[in-house]
Amino acid sequence: AQSVSQHNHHVILSEAASLELGCNYSYGGTVNLFWYVQYPGQHLQLLLKYFSGDPLVKGIKGFEAEFIKSKFSFNLRKPSVQWSDTAEYFCAVIQTDSWGKFQFGAGTQVVVTP
Amino acid sequence: ETGVTQTPRHLVMGMTNKKSLKCEQHLGHNAMYWYKQSAKKPLELMFVYSLEERVENNSVPSRFSPECPNSSHLFLHLHTLQPEDSALYLCASSQAGGPDEQFFGPGTRLTVL
Repeated sequence: AQSVSQHNHHVILSEAASLELGCNYSYGGTVNLFWYVQYPGQHLQLLLKYFSGDPLVKGIKGFEAEFIKSKFSFNLRKPSVQWSDTAEYFCAVIQTDSWGKFQFGAGTQVVVTP
Repeated sequence: ETGVTQTPRHLVMGMTNKKSLKCEQHLGHNAMYWYKQSAKKPLELMFVYSLEERVENNSVPSRFSPECPNSSHLFLHLHTLQPEDSALYLCASSQAGGPDEQFFGPGTRLTVL
């Protein structure tokens, strides 16, 4: 079955630490890839997306992600986190011939301590 | 402010009640979606509407009934729900219902007693 796997359910780190969240998917065809963030009490917001081209994409708030096709991965990174990055992060994948059928990962809760 | 609003934000209902969730998008999109978000589980796509026609029904029980009267409004009618239906229900919209970014509303937190 098609799926999206996020490696960590819960991550705790200190301010200024580096963050990397893993995402793997199991679709065989062409896909578009997304990372969304959900801050406490807020709606899901897009951090970044990849459709084609340079596999290293930059998003908002200093986040970036790298698409590695051979590994079916789209890992999210930030070199130095802030307390305000405390949130839940969701990886999402959609096949390019799909009718808006996003497949989401289960999410990773990130807690940044001062 | 996302351009996608949902009402009510919180809803408590008994198993015999009938209620409706409302979603409105102000982004000029023509595709709308309902998702169910439960703790520690992936978002589950429930329904997809494109140009006001339902194009996807992800094996959702009939106690959930969607309605899309126009491209800006989406409803989810609820009746005889079960406690396991308690969750956050999210509405989203996008342009053309294709493989592009979806914009999400804040959700309705539903509790079924």
